[in-house]
Amino acid sequence: IAGITQAPTSQILAAGRRMTLRCTQDMRHNAMYWYRQDLGLGLRLIHYSNTAGTTGKGEVPDGYSVSRANTDDFPLTLASAVPSQTSVYFCASSDTDSTDTQYFGPGTRLTVL
Amino acid sequence: GQNIDQPTEMTATEGAIVQINCTYQTSGFNGLFWYQQHAGEAPTFLSYNVLDGLEEKGRFSSFLSRSKGYSYLLLKELQMKDSASYLCAAVDSNYQLIWGAGTKLIIKP
Repeated sequence: IAGITQAPTSQILAAGRRMTLRCTQDMRHNAMYWYRQDLGLGLRLIHYSNTAGTTGKGEVPDGYSVSRANTDDFPLTLASAVPSQTSVYFCASSDTDSTDTQYFGPGTRLTVL
Repeated sequence: GQNIDQPTEMTATEGAIVQINCTYQTSGFNGLFWYQQHAGEAPTFLSYNVLDGLEEKGRFSSFLSRSKGYSYLLLKELQMKDSASYLCAAVDSNYQLIWGAGTKLIIKP
């Protein structure tokens, strides 16, 4: 692994289903982030983690949950998907906090029908 | 509220210079980033300014005025590969990034 990876690349999901988006980084970064990107709205922060074992809510956390059991992994779970969660999801990491450069994964394109 | 404003779209000619402006209103300020995002790809880092002034990196330069809540990204000697969206993001007092919607730059031959 080099950098930050996400899985799946894309997914079509029925409304009401549970879905976990995976994110793994090998840079030993302390901070990790989940964003959604919708046309015309820019990136919006869903959840973040400043270090393993801690998480925080971003701008649009409702309907999403995260965990940070170790430094490398930061999965995002949609407990019961709704069509408004159709979006492109980016995971990112940075060395310490938001004043450091964020490195982004390739994204997951999620469609909820 | 917190807000980042940047133009939605700009068009420029290959070989020319273009300036993309960004104004921000945030609760506190801990620096401003510019990222480049090609269509269908992830954003990649271009620059970070925390002090007033101009920082130059090859064909790209970024300027910050904290007193005016203003930044710009200057791209020189434009190439077709510079066609992309350019995202402005400010770090607020809680050390969270506030993102603009991005400026789509179209380069014409």
